[in-house]
Parts: sequence; C-alpha cells; structure tokens
Amino acid sequence: DQQVKQNSPSLSVQEGRISILNCDYTNSMFDYFLWYKKYPAEGPTFLISISSIKDKNEDGRFTVFLNKSAKHLSLHIVPSQPGDSAVYFCAASAEGAKLVFGQGTRLTINP
Amino acid sequence: DTGVSQNPRHKITKRGQNVTFRCDPISEHNRLYWYRQTLGQGPEFLTYFQNEAQLEKSRLLSDRFSAERPKGSFSTLEIQRTEQGDSAMYLCASTWNYGYTFGSGTRLTVV
Repeated sequence: DQQVKQNSPSLSVQEGRISILNCDYTNSMFDYFLWYKKYPAEGPTFLISISSIKDKNEDGRFTVFLNKSAKHLSLHIVPSQPGDSAVYFCAASAEGAKLVFGQGTRLTINP
Repeated sequence: DTGVSQNPRHKITKRGQNVTFRCDPISEHNRLYWYRQTLGQGPEFLTYFQNEAQLEKSRLLSDRFSAERPKGSFSTLEIQRTEQGDSAMYLCASTWNYGYTFGSGTRLTVV
C-alpha cells in the first residue's frame, strides 16, 4: 500500500510564478514530513520539513503547509526559478523512524 | 568532507555476480539507512542500523541481500547472485534525530 502519494507525476510552471506541489498520506501515525529535491544521478537533497504540531513552515522561497485533517501537505515555491527544475519527493516518518517517500513530481520551470 | 559518501558511484555487473556497496555516514550520526530507487519511483526503504545493530529489514530485502555496519561506522550492502531486477539506484542516508542526509547513491546496472 502506498502510504505517501504524489498524484501529479509532472508540473510545468512559468518562471516567476508560484509552483505548488501536493502530497497526500494515509498513516495517521506520521508526525514529521519532509520535502526533498533530486537531480539526476544525485541523492535527494533536503529542502524543508514540518512537524505535525505545526501547519506551516517557511524558509525563504519555500513554504510547506500541513493539513492534518485532510492528511495533505503541499510545497509552495515562489517565485519559481529555472534552477528549481528537478524531481521533488514528499516523505513522512513516524516517531523518527524510517522515511516513507512518495513517487515524486517532476517540476519544470519554463523561462 | 562532512557529507555521506557512497562508493562506487556506478557499478555494471553481469547477472549472477556478487556486488558490494559501501556507505560512509556522517560521523556523529547514529542511524544509517539503505534505500533503493527505481525509475519513476520514490526511494524505498531496505534496512536500517542504529549504531552496529540492524534493527529493521524490509520485505524487499530478499535473502540475496545482506547489510552490515561493523563497529557502528561505515556500512556495506552486498547483493549475491544479482538479477536484472536488482538494477536500481541504492541510496544511503544517515541521521541524528530527524536530520536525514543522503549520499549521492550507487547506480547498479545488471546486464
């Protein structure tokens, strides 16, 4: 069973606009959520995280929103830049245990 | 270098051969994880160590796979009698609490 789902395999956004990447989860025990960015032939790079006690965390151009009742989180990137083009993975963990990843969303920023 | 180091970066092997990968974690991180990523999917958990103890193994880890972390330092992942389905990116991550850091991975191609 897929406990973490990213239903959009790809997303294309114009440079300067907002990119919104979505993620849904099913396991109510998850208490920590992370977003990773991945370039080809490299390992995932940590981007931003949020604890289940919060509903928003912001770091520069990146903001993660958590809606626990809907079991949904989203990553907002604004303004989007060409260097943001990559595959983005949502991941979740329960009590500091292993990360469970979504399938990824390929973000393309068009000039 | 304070990151997670994985060697080799690429490995091409013939079906039926054995391969071994190495991961050197961040020195002060006590947990070490192995993940496998195939094309179009997110990383999938294989196994993890707390110091030298292997605490959890995924059902994905067949008896052809074995992992070790002697003395709680570096870790090795060995695949015996490789099959074409083993072709994937093998990722290592180390963590202290919630701060996961991934290596660049080892890409295995079984021909």
